[in-house]
Amino acid sequence: KQEVTQIPAALSVPEGENLVLNCSFTDSAIYNLQWFRQDPGKGLTSLLLIQSSQREQTSGRLNASLDKSSGRSTLYIAASQPGDSATYLCAVPDQGAQKLVFGQGTRLTINP
Amino acid sequence: NAGVTQTPKFQVLKTGQSMTLQCAQDMNHEYMSWYRQDPGMGLRLIHYSVGAGITDQGEVPNGYNVSRSTTEDFPLRLLSAAPSQTSVYFCASSYSGLAGGHEQYFGPGTRLTVT
Repeated sequence: KQEVTQIPAALSVPEGENLVLNCSFTDSAIYNLQWFRQDPGKGLTSLLLIQSSQREQTSGRLNASLDKSSGRSTLYIAASQPGDSATYLCAVPDQGAQKLVFGQGTRLTINP
Repeated sequence: NAGVTQTPKFQVLKTGQSMTLQCAQDMNHEYMSWYRQDPGMGLRLIHYSVGAGITDQGEVPNGYNVSRSTTEDFPLRLLSAAPSQTSVYFCASSYSGLAGGHEQYFGPGTRLTVT
């Protein structure tokens, strides 16, 4: 059974810092991994999708890496801004169950 | 494209009432699904569909029905609402099933309270 873990559960950093969010999964036989952002009271916004054949994916100040063999992904946020404050979720498909398996999320706060 | 849309945004029901949560997408996606999000439980799959006329159960299907008569729409019906169904409901879609490796898009959610 696929399990996804995100550590830390919460992170608070000053504006301007570069930071890394972590995601680990137990079954390395994944098709892809997706990072989402969720603002309080809102839906999930897709940030990046990394296919299993890729090592990393970039979008603006965001860079996601994937190491299938070790069951890990990281989301790197450069030059953080207060607007980056949100909960970040990673998810991998559980093919057999046709569902996404989500981590519990990292609640990120960027302090001005 | 409007993406994935959900109505209503908020709903309060009394125990025993029924209602339908609407979900629509305009991206011609074959795969659609419903999740519920609860504190401490994360997101759990309720039902999913891999195409018009095809639906299947997820991990928490009891008390919910779905149908998929068109590619665009995937409504979720609560048959007899219970307080345990108080939650935030998200609809999601992607070009194909999860093995296809396509990006999942989520709607804004419906916040349901059952009293």
